[in-house]
Amino acid sequence: SQTIHQWPATLVQPVGSPLSLECTVEGTSNPNLYWYRQAAGRGLQLLFYSVGIGQISSEVPQNLSASRPQDRQFILSSKKLLLSDSGFYLCAWSRQLLYGYTFGSGTRLTVV
Amino acid sequence: SQQGEEDPQALSIQEGENATMNCSYKTSINNLQWYRQNSGRGLVHLILIRSNEREKHSGRLRVTLDTSKKSSSLLITASRAADTASYFCATDGETSGSRLTFGEGTQLTVNP
Repeated sequence: SQTIHQWPATLVQPVGSPLSLECTVEGTSNPNLYWYRQAAGRGLQLLFYSVGIGQISSEVPQNLSASRPQDRQFILSSKKLLLSDSGFYLCAWSRQLLYGYTFGSGTRLTVV
Repeated sequence: SQQGEEDPQALSIQEGENATMNCSYKTSINNLQWYRQNSGRGLVHLILIRSNEREKHSGRLRVTLDTSKKSSSLLITASRAADTASYFCATDGETSGSRLTFGEGTQLTVNP
């Protein structure tokens, strides 16, 4: 069966510090991978998605970047965090949109 | 632009009552999906309805789709306290590629 792992669960980082959030998928190959951000009490904003190794599409200009160094690994990064980067970050994968997304458990990032 | 928009934003009902949440979208879609999110967790896929379907059932869930009105509704029958969560609709359209667009969600509280 397929599983998705996202870590860490919570993170408190000072302004200006770097960020690296990792997401890995097991039990499938060549998944579509996604990073979303969710503000408190709000919907999901798509940040990046990837349909293959090294293929990254950015949806919103921002202080973040994404990389896919391996087929089932998706990394969200920042060189210098801003206060506005605080939020709940969710990784997801899909085979086809017809089958929906499977989400990770999320990372609560607080930039202080 | 926000594709899916749910209403109401918040709904509070008593256990045993039915809960109805609505979703409206702007552009043509291939499929519409509903997800559930418990507080502080990732989203879980509930049900998908294709653009050529009008109604779909899964257990206590009933989803309808009216493409002429660009709207969908999610009905949860005989609600339970454990149904307390946020519910999101998500759409993929003809120009979506491999990504879903999520609405802002409805926060459902079922009081015991």
